[in-house]
This record gives sequence, C-alpha cells and structure tokens, in this order.
Amino acid sequence: DIVMTQTPLSLPVTPGEPASISCRSSQRFLDSDDGNTYLDWYLQKPGQSPQLLIFALSFRAAGVPDRFSGSGSGTDFTLKISRVEAEDVGVYYCMQHIEFPYTFGQGTKLEIK
Amino acid sequence: EVQLVESGGGLVQPGESLRLSCVASGFTFSDHYMDWVRQAPGKGLEWVGQTRNKANNYTTKYATSVKGRFTISRDDSKNSLYLQMIRLKTEDTAVYYCARVAYGSGSYDYWGQGTLVTVSS
Repeated sequence: DIVMTQTPLSLPVTPGEPASISCRSSQRFLDSDDGNTYLDWYLQKPGQSPQLLIFALSFRAAGVPDRFSGSGSGTDFTLKISRVEAEDVGVYYCMQHIEFPYTFGQGTKLEIK
Repeated sequence: EVQLVESGGGLVQPGESLRLSCVASGFTFSDHYMDWVRQAPGKGLEWVGQTRNKANNYTTKYATSVKGRFTISRDDSKNSLYLQMIRLKTEDTAVYYCARVAYGSGSYDYWGQGTLVTVSS
C-alpha cells in the first residue's frame, strides 16, 4: 500500500500569515492514462464532513478561494495557504487515488494562534 | 442540489452484522462511481471501498482490512448505495461516509454527513 505521510501534524498559524502542509508518498505514483497526478487535498472543518479543496495535484475545487494552492511532483506534495483566515481551521488530509487501496495522510490540524 | 444521506448506523456487538445505506439525490446517481470512507473516533480518514457504475460492470474494490467481510452494492433504480458489514470487529467502530466520485478527476466532490457504527460488547 502507498503510505501518505503528512507534516506537520499540528499547525498553529496567525491570521494573515501563510501556511504550508507537506505530504510525502512512500512510492512514486504509477503514471495515469491521462497524465494527471491523482493527489487530492481535503479539509474537514470541526463537526463537518470532509470537503474537497484541491484535486489532481493543483486544481482548486469549485468555490475554493485562490489563497489555496497545491503543487508537487514525484513523492513530495504541498498544500499552501497564502494568507490564513479564521475559517480555514480544521484538519487537512492528502489522499492518493491512483492505486488501490486509496490512502489518506494522517491529517494536519490547523489552528489559529 | 446534490445530497447524500447515510443511515443504518447503530450499536452492535462484535461478530454481528449491519447494513448501511446512502440515498443520493440531485444528480444522475447511476453514472457515478461511489465510495465509502470511514473515520474512527478522533482518528483520520480511511478508505473502505468503491463500486463502479453499470458501464464498468459495477466492479468493486475493498480495503484489505474489510475484504471478505464488507460488501458494497448499489440499486440505481433507488439511487441508493449500500455497505453490508458482517463479522464486525471493535476496530470497525467509526463514522461511515459515502462519497461521490467526480467524473474525470476521480476525487470526492460530495460527501454525506456520515452514520456512526459502534461495535462493542
């Protein structure tokens, strides 16, 4: 199974400051037929179901503010928030869905200082 | 508006069975792959399994931890997804979410609110 490892696990951030979450896979993903990297980022706000933020490495889901961005290659992937807002608190998960079984990172809890 | 509503959770004893349902609305359910994802109390997300659509022969895939005990099925005429769970273990205790697999990206663009399954004696 592909193991997804996120760092840090806890991320206190001052509003207005940037934030970055790393996600590393235990192996390179197999090439997909369409050339996409099937790496997503989800945010689970307190008391809510997860919601899609970033799909296929770097595409923002509908309605996601442009302060969120995804990047990476090989085995290293990053979610960046250019300026954190209070509404961004919650647990962020990366997920690979190029190979079964699909796997999530452990989650990174972002909190406001 | 897309909606996914899970039901069927509850308290069961180890070794017992339970069937979860997820009723979909607001989109053409039969066209989409559908997945189950679970979350143990205070823990992270764990993929459980997937059912593909009719065009892909309703192929199913499962996590190793549930293979042979859990069965995913769907009834497109009822816009419903199911998770049949047998020989439940205490470690199956979790909130179970159904999630719609988006066209193209394969990502989970919609999630249900989840249903809690507690396995305890």
